[in-house]
Amino acid sequence: DSGVTQTPKHLITATGQRVTLRCSPRSGDLSVYWYQQSLDQGLQFLIQYYNGEERAKGNILERFSAQQFPDLHSELNLSSLELGDSALYFCASSDSGRFVDEQFFGPGTRLTVL
Amino acid sequence: AQKVTQAQTEISVVEKEDVTLDCVYETRDTTYYLFWYKQPPSGELVFLIRRNSFDEQNEISGRYSWNFQKSTSSFNFTITASQVVDSAVYFCALTSSGGYQKVTFGTGTKLQVIP
Repeated sequence: DSGVTQTPKHLITATGQRVTLRCSPRSGDLSVYWYQQSLDQGLQFLIQYYNGEERAKGNILERFSAQQFPDLHSELNLSSLELGDSALYFCASSDSGRFVDEQFFGPGTRLTVL
Repeated sequence: AQKVTQAQTEISVVEKEDVTLDCVYETRDTTYYLFWYKQPPSGELVFLIRRNSFDEQNEISGRYSWNFQKSTSSFNFTITASQVVDSAVYFCALTSSGGYQKVTFGTGTKLQVIP
């Protein structure tokens, strides 16, 4: 158990809808990272937040947004969902703001868009 | 543009055999980091190792070892005396440190260790 929690575990929704994925980092970790793993695109880094501020941006679509709250949990919002957004979404956390330091991953949220 | 190639899609070995997972990368950056991650059947990603471009020392951690060779742009991962618990998908990744973070993952190698 990495100490990173993600909810929900599974999410099934329809095209055009909006969903919110939630991540709670390990106690004491200030950085949260979001990743997408899909059959088509493989593993992709989406975005990093550090202590409430956006730190690094990867291949995140404009329809997606994220934020990190004062209690350091993070939410990833996906809107105008398309079939291709079906994927496993991982959250990871680390105690530093450096992307290259060890990250601890949550169990993921599996999103299915029908 | 960055690229990470894991040419081996699937590998099967018998328990106790040694196995090497290949990773070849491309980058124009002089400073970069390479990583290996493990994704067991349970699905969670596990960080295994990080290596920066200035450190070509090989590393050994128990049954795991990593061979970084800049001359061939490779960062290979060897498991010695494989065990069933090593069955997983292994990903190699590359990130540059040019002021913003861009990380590229390989497509993964699925390792099956047969008892």
